[in-house]
Amino acid sequence: DTGVSQNPRHKITKRGQNVTFRCDPISEHNRLYWYRQTLGQGPEFLTYFQNEAQLEKSRLLSDRFSAERPKGSFSTLEIQRTEQGDSAMYLCASSLGSGLADTQYFGPGTRLTVL
Amino acid sequence: GDSVTQMEGPVTLSEEAFLTINCTYTATGYPSLFWYVQYPGEGLQLLLKATKADDKGSNKGFEATYRKETTSFHLEKGSVQVSDSAVYFCALKPAGGNTPLVFGKGTRLSVIA
Repeated sequence: DTGVSQNPRHKITKRGQNVTFRCDPISEHNRLYWYRQTLGQGPEFLTYFQNEAQLEKSRLLSDRFSAERPKGSFSTLEIQRTEQGDSAMYLCASSLGSGLADTQYFGPGTRLTVL
Repeated sequence: GDSVTQMEGPVTLSEEAFLTINCTYTATGYPSLFWYVQYPGEGLQLLLKATKADDKGSNKGFEATYRKETTSFHLEKGSVQVSDSAVYFCALKPAGGNTPLVFGKGTRLSVIA
């Protein structure tokens, strides 16, 4: 039984560079979420997908951020022209999408450091 | 908007001590409530959940009861172990279906032998 996986686990980049992260959800899960977690804070919602459709985006998701989920399987999160304020842990979660009891299962996260 | 407030940490306890981590929420309707745990270097793991008032979630000796009258979901464990050292997050899923989780800031627990 494989859980949610994320790659890479760590990414160090220079300000202004583009980065892309990948998330592979649990195979039968049709919902996929992205969150951002900064030091000493809880995760904050960025966006989520129902199959391949992106249904909601947080105001935290600036124009430099884009997420895709082609074919409703894995998802990518791209950050263009990175800024130091983008340094955070980026978490992916997936769920079956089954109402109030719907439980999100999280991956290990990708830690981004922007120098 | 919906929000979750947790007691600030860090909390330091001796092994076998009783643990309470307070969590209160603000939400319309009847959200679902969750506790997640994050061990050092790992992602968030679901610890327990409750979906309606007076429900008690429990797992690995931890318990939390959904109290609508006090809008609370306090986490308790009767006897903590060193291996329980982690950061604990209270979260809610707003009523109404397709909604993401809203998290508290987390409470760091350190258990010393």
